[in-house]
Amino acid sequence: ETGVTQTPRHLVMGMTNKKSLKCEQHLGHNAMYWYKQSAKKPLELMFVYSLEERVENNSVPSRFSPECPNSSHLFLHLHTLQPEDSALYLCASSQEALGLLNTGELFFGEGSRLTVL
Amino acid sequence: QQPVQSPQAVILREGEDAVINCSSSKALYSVHWYRQKHGEAPVFLMILLKGGEQKGHEKISASFNEKKQQSSLYLTASQLSYSGTYFCGTHSLGAGNMLTFGGGTRLMVKP
Repeated sequence: ETGVTQTPRHLVMGMTNKKSLKCEQHLGHNAMYWYKQSAKKPLELMFVYSLEERVENNSVPSRFSPECPNSSHLFLHLHTLQPEDSALYLCASSQEALGLLNTGELFFGEGSRLTVL
Repeated sequence: QQPVQSPQAVILREGEDAVINCSSSKALYSVHWYRQKHGEAPVFLMILLKGGEQKGHEKISASFNEKKQQSSLYLTASQLSYSGTYFCGTHSLGAGNMLTFGGGTRLMVKP
């Protein structure tokens, strides 16, 4: 496999469920990201990990909990979500985290389409 | 604060040209352009760094005016494969690791 792989591609959950989204990158990158893409809204950065350490947490509600056990894997744990959390969740990776010395070209997965009932 | 893209949508005939603009209220270090086709992942097009450079990618090029905090994406002699939503992402000075995306410009190229 190559690139960035996300599972599941589609997920339907109730507001009291606990589920997780998984992302795996096969590019040897050191940085990984979660973005949220809602209809008619810009891509919203949620979390950034660099070398398994969280370096950005963009004011995301605590019902979203990221986990980065190693530089190839990223999870987004979901708990007691709201219907407005329904969206496409995109995972991305880059060689290094975006910075003044790093251009941070992002490689995206195809996303996990989440529906909260 | 997210950059503002214009227009929001554009319809072209094959072979026509288009310009997509991206404007920020913050001083920028770099501007990134991505294209997302329906049901697919966003794909990187190019990055423009502070310095006012212009880049090209086949018949797609872009410019970056750091003084005006603006970037423009130029699509010339458009092809059917250019259809999709184009996003600009901006990296602002002092924004750490954050790349902030605009709302996107939906481009449809018709035969």
